[in-house]
Amino acid sequence: GAGVSQSPSNKVTEKGKDVELRCDPISGHTALYWYRQRLGQGLEFLIYFQGNSAPDKSGLPSDRFSAERTGESVSTLTIQRTQQEDSAVYLCASSLGGSADTQYFGPGTRLTVL
Amino acid sequence: SQQGEEDPQALSIQEGENATMNCSYKTSINNLQWYRQNSGRGLVHLILIRSNEREKHSGRLRVTLDTSKKSSSLLITASRAADTASYFCAPLAQKLVFGQGTRLTINP
Repeated sequence: GAGVSQSPSNKVTEKGKDVELRCDPISGHTALYWYRQRLGQGLEFLIYFQGNSAPDKSGLPSDRFSAERTGESVSTLTIQRTQQEDSAVYLCASSLGGSADTQYFGPGTRLTVL
Repeated sequence: SQQGEEDPQALSIQEGENATMNCSYKTSINNLQWYRQNSGRGLVHLILIRSNEREKHSGRLRVTLDTSKKSSSLLITASRAADTASYFCAPLAQKLVFGQGTRLTINP
């Protein structure tokens, strides 16, 4: 079956603009995660959705970052008033359930803020 | 958070040789997994080893786990150019935390 998909694959934007990144999880997966990976660095957790529960937003770095998920399907990560330090690869993952099931990652969106 | 730390940071070998990467972690775990990342993009799940397992095989991959030493190793046998990637370990958790990984380069 299809894996996790993300769009766009690359996004170049100017400082101060808003961007919206999209993630389509694997069908049937109830949990969805967003991570950020800066160049040469490890993974930073951003936000976690599990079913209809309130999302875990503990990793969002500032109030410029927000995310939504429609039911158990598509999620969008929005970054408002982008800054150069927001440049990174944004990775989405989904898992069958929560509770530490294996997470399967999408190809990521490479965001470059000029 | 539960984070794995990979060692070495970089490894360069000839095609056909075996590559061994190590992972250490600090907290008690139930399971540990290894991922591969090509060209800084998507992460591919390679293998999961449970805390009651000491060794697990998958194709050319062999993973060991020593819970008493809080360490794991990933062995790739008969390496190929396509194995060139960064490799990460992480305890299975709701919020994955990766270190900087081991950057493996396979030279032709």
